[in-house]
Amino acid sequence: DSGVTQTPKHLITATGQRVTLRCSPRSGDLSVYWYQQSLDQGLQFLIQYYNGEERAKGNILERFSAQQFPDLHSELNLSSLELGDSALYFCASSASSGSQETQYFGPGTRLLVL
Amino acid sequence: AQKVTQAQTEISVVEKEDVTLDCVYETRDTTYYLFWYKQPPSGELVFLIRRNSFDEQNEISGRYSWNFQKSTSSFNFTITASQVVDSAVYFCALRNSGANSKLTFGKGITLSVRP
Repeated sequence: DSGVTQTPKHLITATGQRVTLRCSPRSGDLSVYWYQQSLDQGLQFLIQYYNGEERAKGNILERFSAQQFPDLHSELNLSSLELGDSALYFCASSASSGSQETQYFGPGTRLLVL
Repeated sequence: AQKVTQAQTEISVVEKEDVTLDCVYETRDTTYYLFWYKQPPSGELVFLIRRNSFDEQNEISGRYSWNFQKSTSSFNFTITASQVVDSAVYFCALRNSGANSKLTFGKGITLSVRP
């Protein structure tokens, strides 16, 4: 158990809908990262937050957004969902924002868009 | 730009065999960090090891060992006396130094250990 929690574990929704994925980092960690894992794209970095502020952006679509709250939990919002958004979404956390920090991953949220 | 190549896509071994998972990386940075993660069938990503670019010492942890060679840009992972519980997808990842750097993963290697 990494100490990172994600809810829900599974999510089934329809095209065009909007969903919110939630992540709680390990106790004391200030950085939160979001990743998407799909069969064709592999593991892709989406976005990083550090202590409430956006720190780095990867290949995140404009339909996707995220935020980190004062209690350090984070939410990833996915809107106007398409079939291709079906994937496993991971949240990870690290103690700080430094590149040397190890990222510990949550169990993931499996999203299925029908 | 940074890139991680895991040329082996699937490996199948019989229990108790030794197996080496290859990882080759590309980066222009002189300071960077390499990682290995394990993804068992249950789906979570489990951290195995982190290696700094300025530390080329090899590491052994139980049945696991890692061989880091900057000269060939490789960070290979060996499992000795493999067990069925080692069956998983193994990812190698690279992160350059710098506040805005991102963790880049290889495609992963699916390891199947047969009893």
